[in-house]
Formats: sequence, C-alpha cells, structure tokens
Amino acid sequence: NAGVTQTPKFRVLKTGQSMTLLCAQDMNHEYMYWYRQDPGMGLRLIHYSVGEGTTAKGEVPDGYNVSRLKKQNFLLGLESAAPSQTSVYFCASSYAWDPPNFGPGTRLTVT
Amino acid sequence: GQSLEQPSEVTAVEGAIVQINCTYQTSGFYGLSWYQQHDGGAPTFLSYNALDGLEETGRFSSFLSRSDSYGYLLLQELQMKDSASYFCAVRPYNTDKLIFGTGTRLQVFP
Repeated sequence: NAGVTQTPKFRVLKTGQSMTLLCAQDMNHEYMYWYRQDPGMGLRLIHYSVGEGTTAKGEVPDGYNVSRLKKQNFLLGLESAAPSQTSVYFCASSYAWDPPNFGPGTRLTVT
Repeated sequence: GQSLEQPSEVTAVEGAIVQINCTYQTSGFYGLSWYQQHDGGAPTFLSYNALDGLEETGRFSSFLSRSDSYGYLLLQELQMKDSASYFCAVRPYNTDKLIFGTGTRLQVFP
C-alpha cells in the first residue's frame, strides 16, 4: 500500500514550457486535490475532484488544468509555465470528507 | 469567503506545553483538522474535531468552539522533533473544498 505518490519529485522548466504532474493513490479514494505551497506559506487549493471524470476549481486555478480519467490518478497540467508557478505541489486524497492523506510533493522551478 | 488565521510563529522549550490557535471567519463547516509539516516534508494529519470540545491523541489535543469561531492545538511534553509547521483546515458547508490556515511555525529549544 503505497498511499499517495507523485511524479516527478523535482522539475525545472523554462518559461513557456508545459508539463504534467501525476498523482496516484491506491486507497480507492473518491476525493483528490492539488495544492501549491510557496516558501513560508500555507497550502492553497488549485483544483480538486470528487470522483472519476469530475473536476472543480479551487482557490488558485488560473494557469492550471486537471484531469481525472481514472479514479486512482489525478493529473495537473501547466500549459505555459511562468516563474510565478515556482512552488511545491502537493497532491492529496481522501475517502469522502475524511481528512486527506498527502503525497510527498513535487518541487517545481520555472526559470 | 472563508479565512483561517494562525499565529505565524511560536517558540517553546522541551518539556513545555504550547497552544496553537486557529480563528476563522466562515459561515459554517463540517469539522476542524490539524496537520503537521516538517521542513521539506508533506503535511501529515494529526487531529480532527467534528464537534465542539476536546479531542485527545497522545501528547496532542485539539479543541473546537463553533460559538467562538475558535479552535486550538495543544502540544504537551514538547520534544525537539515537534519543531515543525502546524496548519488548521476546514471544509466549509456546501463545498467539497478543504481550506487551510496560514500556518504556525513551532520552534522547540533545548
């Protein structure tokens, strides 16, 4: 039981490049979330999903897209990376409204 | 809108007791959660209050008072390994979002 895993762990992008962050969970959770955390700051919700095929916007969705084609996977895409998107990205999953479990994070730097 | 405010930093010595407050402005929510995050690590779940009152889990306790729009995390018998950031979080009514507080950095000194 791996819990919540994230790929990749680190990435450096140039401004304007695109990439996809993958989150996978093996706990059969319906709810999945993507957060970003800037240095010394709290967690801000980007997008979330309450089930396969559904997604919704969080607090800071601009510049990101998501997809939940399979229940166990939640993908976060950056279409055209900007330096303001330099951050640590955390994925989380939960059974309904239980407090979620977090993945280890992806450190993204955009130059 | 919803906002959860926490003190930015708290310091204490080993063996002491420390309380981290979380005050919120939200119309209503399902419960108050607390998470711990060490530097460079991921948030890990500590405690959850669905109802008003005190929940105890080992050295950690959490309290919620909806009438006072206030909650806190109490850490007893502090250890050096408790040095970390602590976040409160709520799920507002009529939403599936989980919103986090601003976070409190706890430093424990010998």
